[in-house]
This record gives sequence, structure tokens and C-alpha cells, in this order.
Amino acid sequence: GAVVSQHPSRVICKSGTSVKIECRSLDFQATTMFWYRQFPKQSLMLMATSNEGSKATYEQGVEKDKFLINHASLTLSTLTVTSAHPEDSSFYICSARVPGNSRQPQHFGDGTRLSIL
Amino acid sequence: GDSVTQMEGPVTLSEEAFLTINCTYTATGYPSLFWYVQYPGEGLQLLLKATKADDKGSNKGFEATYRKETTSFHLEKGSVQVSDSAVYFCALMNSGAGSYQLTFGKGTKLSVIP
Repeated sequence: GAVVSQHPSRVICKSGTSVKIECRSLDFQATTMFWYRQFPKQSLMLMATSNEGSKATYEQGVEKDKFLINHASLTLSTLTVTSAHPEDSSFYICSARVPGNSRQPQHFGDGTRLSIL
Repeated sequence: GDSVTQMEGPVTLSEEAFLTINCTYTATGYPSLFWYVQYPGEGLQLLLKATKADDKGSNKGFEATYRKETTSFHLEKGSVQVSDSAVYFCALMNSGAGSYQLTFGKGTKLSVIP
């Protein structure tokens, strides 16, 4: 089945650092990927929709300059948290849409736990 | 816009107890409905789905029926196990908008104790 790999699974870094998270579709081409942020008490928030070869579409309230999304190929989307601060600490999850798969609209990565000290 | 409301957790049950997690939705058109499960420290996995009214999705002993008249998609399992402890998300997709975005409920944490 379709597999989405997310890396790293966990990152701990100092305040002010920029952190890049990768989301790869391993056995299919994903024209569309999604980035979510999961808050405490499990609420899942869609941050942006990433389309290969074009600018990402951000949800209302998400800072584009803070959360940079690049979808340069059909198998890779990256989320860069720029100048991260403690309030950016969260669990970030990506997913990819499998074209033509009506049984399962999105396949999810295993998430990245980001901790900013 | 579309929205999903699911029962607040956490839910704690003894092993072999009956489980119901309520989910209702608001959407235009005819959305597809899903239940996802998230085990600790992991991403989301599709548990089951239904694409039209009266469809029943089932997997691993879990069931949910798409009820258009009550706009509901309640998750049930007759006998839960400790390994079912996880967070469960109800979701809908309104592909009529062409975006294939999922709209999630807030999740319900289930803990099953021996």
C-alpha cells in the first residue's frame, strides 16, 4: 500500500533555530500533500495544502513566513519552521493524497515531535 | 463550512466492554465519512470509511454506519481490547469542492484497562 515517510520523527533544538521537516511519498507520486499541526488534547489543525510545482495554500491564521512549505517534486514536500520559538513546539503531521484512490483520500506520515527549548 | 463534532473524551473502559463514540457532521452535498485511529506517538491510520448513506464501514471489529437523516457516523465496537487504546478521529471529505481536504473532529482518547 501507499507509504508516506516523515523525517525526522523527533527534533529538539534551541530557540531561534530553523527546522526542516520532510514528507516523502515512497511508492507513489503525490501531487498534493497536507501539513497538520496537532495541539495538546489531540486537536488536529490543517496548516496548509502543498501542491507540486506551485505555492502552498495556507489556512487562515497560519503565518506563511513562519512555516515555509516547498513541494519541489512529486515525492517530497518540506515544512520549514523558521526561527522557531517554544510556542512552535508541537506534533506536526504530513499526509499525501494518492491520485485516483477513492478508498483512502490521504495517507499519513508518523509525525514529527518538535520541541523548542 | 463543513464541520465534524465528536464526543469529548477521555473515555475509559474495561476490557471487553462495549464502545460507542458519537460523531455528527455538517456538510453540503454528499461527503464521504471516515474514522481514523492514532496510536501513541504515531500518525493517523484509516480505520474505516463510508461513502454514501446507509453504508456501513467495518474493520478490526469496529463499525460505523453513515446515517444521512441524523448526519451521524457513530463508531462502535462490541468488545474492546487493551490494544484499542488510542485517539479516534471522525472526519469527512467533501470532494465536491475538488480539494480532497479532510475535516476532522477534535478526537476522542480511549483508554482500555485490563
